[in-house]
Amino acid sequence: KAGVTQTPRYLIKTRGQQVTLSCSPISGHRSVSWYQQTPGQGLQFLFEYFSETQRNKGNFPGRFSGRQFSNSRSEMNVSTLELGDSALYLCASSWQGSAGNTIYFGEGSWLTVV
Amino acid sequence: SQQGEEDPQALSIQEGENATMNCSYKTSINNLQWYRQNSGRGLVHLILIRSNEREKHSGRLRVTLDTSKKSSSLLITASRAADTASYFCATEANQAGTALIFGKGTTLSVSS
Repeated sequence: KAGVTQTPRYLIKTRGQQVTLSCSPISGHRSVSWYQQTPGQGLQFLFEYFSETQRNKGNFPGRFSGRQFSNSRSEMNVSTLELGDSALYLCASSWQGSAGNTIYFGEGSWLTVV
Repeated sequence: SQQGEEDPQALSIQEGENATMNCSYKTSINNLQWYRQNSGRGLVHLILIRSNEREKHSGRLRVTLDTSKKSSSLLITASRAADTASYFCATEANQAGTALIFGKGTTLSVSS
């Protein structure tokens, strides 16, 4: 069974640009969530999608958005990039996304903003 | 905001020794999960312990949960160099959906 797949793995963007990251969850998983990891703030929850609907949202500005498609694949978008957006962005999937389900993470997308 | 706080922040041991990491959290939880992260890689799920469980084992891992003290510990027995990684606890609050709140992690270094 394939794991959570994230693309691209590495990317460099310029301040002011926008970026889209993609995530394919484990087959059969309907919940996809996104996390940002930085040295200063650690791992922080961005948002979660379940059956194409955003179910939970973390404390991030509106420049961070996401969506989920009918096949459960998800994308997240960051507009008007800032230097502080440089981070490892991790996608995670779980079967139902309800409490007690094991949550599996992808390898992440390394974003560098210059 | 960080829910869990791991202790210690860094731990260096020799192969064959046991490693114990602690995690404290602030609010009521449904469950607590431990993850491992090798440098620059994704998170690997190690073990999940539910709020009504007190202890759980998986191979060389032993996790305890004390909800009265809002704390958990992860014990890795007979450590190996391959255990060198950062370890995070993550809690799932009493809410619908999945929103893990992570601690800052413990960096474990196992030397041979």
